[in-house]
Amino acid sequence: KAGVTQTPRYLIKTRGQQVTLSCSPISGHRSVSWYQQTPGQGLQFLFEYFSETQRNKGNFPGRFSGRQFSNSRSEMNVSTLELGDSALYLCASSLASRTSGNEQFFGPGTRLTVL
Amino acid sequence: AQTVTQSQPEMSVQEAETVTLSCTYDTSENNYYLFWYKQPPSRQMILVIRQEAYKQQNATENRFSVNFQKAAKSFSLKISDSQLGDTAMYFCAFSNNAGNMLTFGGGTRLMVKP
Repeated sequence: KAGVTQTPRYLIKTRGQQVTLSCSPISGHRSVSWYQQTPGQGLQFLFEYFSETQRNKGNFPGRFSGRQFSNSRSEMNVSTLELGDSALYLCASSLASRTSGNEQFFGPGTRLTVL
Repeated sequence: AQTVTQSQPEMSVQEAETVTLSCTYDTSENNYYLFWYKQPPSRQMILVIRQEAYKQQNATENRFSVNFQKAAKSFSLKISDSQLGDTAMYFCAFSNNAGNMLTFGGGTRLMVKP
């Protein structure tokens, strides 16, 4: 089975631009979560989508948004980019056989650099 | 809100020896899940071990085992017979009963020396 894939792997943007990151979960997985990883703040939860609905949301400004499609693929969007948005963005998928506490499988991440 | 603390930013161990990574957490919930994830230098995060809070028995996965102390809110990871491939960042993580949101600790960088 193919793992979680994320595209693009690397991205360079300038302040004020917007960006869309894509995540394809493992086939059959219905839950997709997004995390931001930075040296200063560590790993922080952005949001979780399950069956096209946002189920959980982290403490990020409204510039960060996401969605999930009927095939479970997910996208996250960051508008009006700031220098502090430079980070590794990780996507994780889960079979979600239980409501919670499921093992999450992570993708390789998208490295976003904001200049 | 839950918090997860890993007090050891860096550790090293000789190959074949045993090492224990510490993790404490804070929550007011009674039912939750705890995880240890490994992030090797290649960056792909993988699950090492998972513990359900309502299970008193400590989880084990081959060379990896945990010491789960619910009252103390402690969840340490023991790696036996350390191998060079165990070199990685290790993250302790907490998940409540409302989905798959993970709260991570700051991580422990483990170096296994030959």
